Amino acid sequence: DQQVKQNSPSLSVQEGRISILNCDYTNSMFDYFLWYKKYPAEGPTFLISISSIKDKNEDGRFTVFLNKSAKHLSLHIVPSQPGDSAVYFCAASAYNFNKFYFGSGTKLNVKP
Amino acid sequence: DVKVTQSSRYLVKRTGEKVFLECVQDMDHENMFWYRQDPGLGLRLIYFSYDVKMKEKGDIPEGYSVSREKKERFSLILESASTNQTSMYLCASKTSGNTIYFGEGSWLTVV
Repeated sequence: DQQVKQNSPSLSVQEGRISILNCDYTNSMFDYFLWYKKYPAEGPTFLISISSIKDKNEDGRFTVFLNKSAKHLSLHIVPSQPGDSAVYFCAASAYNFNKFYFGSGTKLNVKP
Repeated sequence: DVKVTQSSRYLVKRTGEKVFLECVQDMDHENMFWYRQDPGLGLRLIYFSYDVKMKEKGDIPEGYSVSREKKERFSLILESASTNQTSMYLCASKTSGNTIYFGEGSWLTVV
């Protein structure tokens, strides 16, 4: 049973607009969340993270929002650029940080 | 910069062969991981290791084993490769912090 779910397999956005990628989790013990970006034939690269003591974390064009009561997090990319086209994975971890649970990924296509 | 290196990027093996996937990290990280990535299933944890000679099963350990004889090296072993093990394999490492770093991946095809 997947503990981290990304229900949208794909998303298409126009360049310059906002991209919103969503992620839901089921385990209330998760207290650290990460987003990774993956290009084809490459390994995932770390993008941004958030601890459960926060509800928002921002890094340049990327912002992650956490709604603990809904067990939901989202990644906002503003403005979207063609180079953002990739698969985005969300991940969650509990206090010991030795296991990370990943969602199935959302493929983002940013159209010029 | 953290460097996680997977020695084989693309492999084709026959059913029943023994397969070794090697991973080396250069940042003295205690924890190392092996994941596989399949379409629609995301990244699934096969095994991880939190110290030399220590290992723990992940979510899908069946058909796999691992070896960690040195801190910087974590090997994934397929004792008898099967076609359902055709996948992209990702090695990762992390220190006591909260972020894991991935290698570039190894594409394995079992025919």
